[in-house]
Amino acid sequence: DTAVSQTPKYLVTQMGNDKSIKCEQNLGHDTMYWYKQDSKKFLKIMFSYNNKELIINETVPNRFSPKSPDKAHLNLHINSLELGDSAVYFCASSQDVSQGLSNQPQHFGDGTRLSIL
Amino acid sequence: AQTVTQSQPEMSVQEAETVTLSCTYDTSESDYYLFWYKQPPSRQMILVIRQEAYKQQNATENRFSVNFQKAAKSFSLKISDSQLGDAAMYFCAYGLNFGNEKLTFGTGTRLTIIP
Repeated sequence: DTAVSQTPKYLVTQMGNDKSIKCEQNLGHDTMYWYKQDSKKFLKIMFSYNNKELIINETVPNRFSPKSPDKAHLNLHINSLELGDSAVYFCASSQDVSQGLSNQPQHFGDGTRLSIL
Repeated sequence: AQTVTQSQPEMSVQEAETVTLSCTYDTSESDYYLFWYKQPPSRQMILVIRQEAYKQQNATENRFSVNFQKAAKSFSLKISDSQLGDAAMYFCAYGLNFGNEKLTFGTGTRLTIIP
């Protein structure tokens, strides 16, 4: 009954490869997010989608392409991986505030540790 | 732009004692939320407590409480009766109360519990 699930949990790959991380939420939330946590544990927003539409893109290189086939899924595809992409990537979801609800807390997945060799 | 500052990279506390983690933030908005998230070694991000900026009353969740000082833009977390399971990274976060806003995180405080 996992609320926000990411796969894989660990991803080790060579520089220059293309890889994807999948995220699914079963909370019925309208908004999903990708955050990056670097080696110093600093967490920063990358993207957010609301009902399959991109609403936040925080100056992320265009090698990163999020894709939302439906509002329960937000996948992250990364092209031409670089050493600096090594990090933990967190998916999160929350309910749409515009539905008249107050700010709903974001629920996080367990993270995907991406290591570039 | 909103910023969140946690000035204590590391803290330690004796088991069963009380510890306070500091957080300050900068914003020009008046309607927002503040959160404390816990990240244990398992890497999960777990919501500990949240505070609505329009509420003067400090939020409390069991052994966890906050001291929210809106004018000073301060949001500290107090953990009472510390337990070994409280050992983790603690992140303070800020989010606006409209739209589908991102969370802006502080740099975290690593809390160690001494048996």
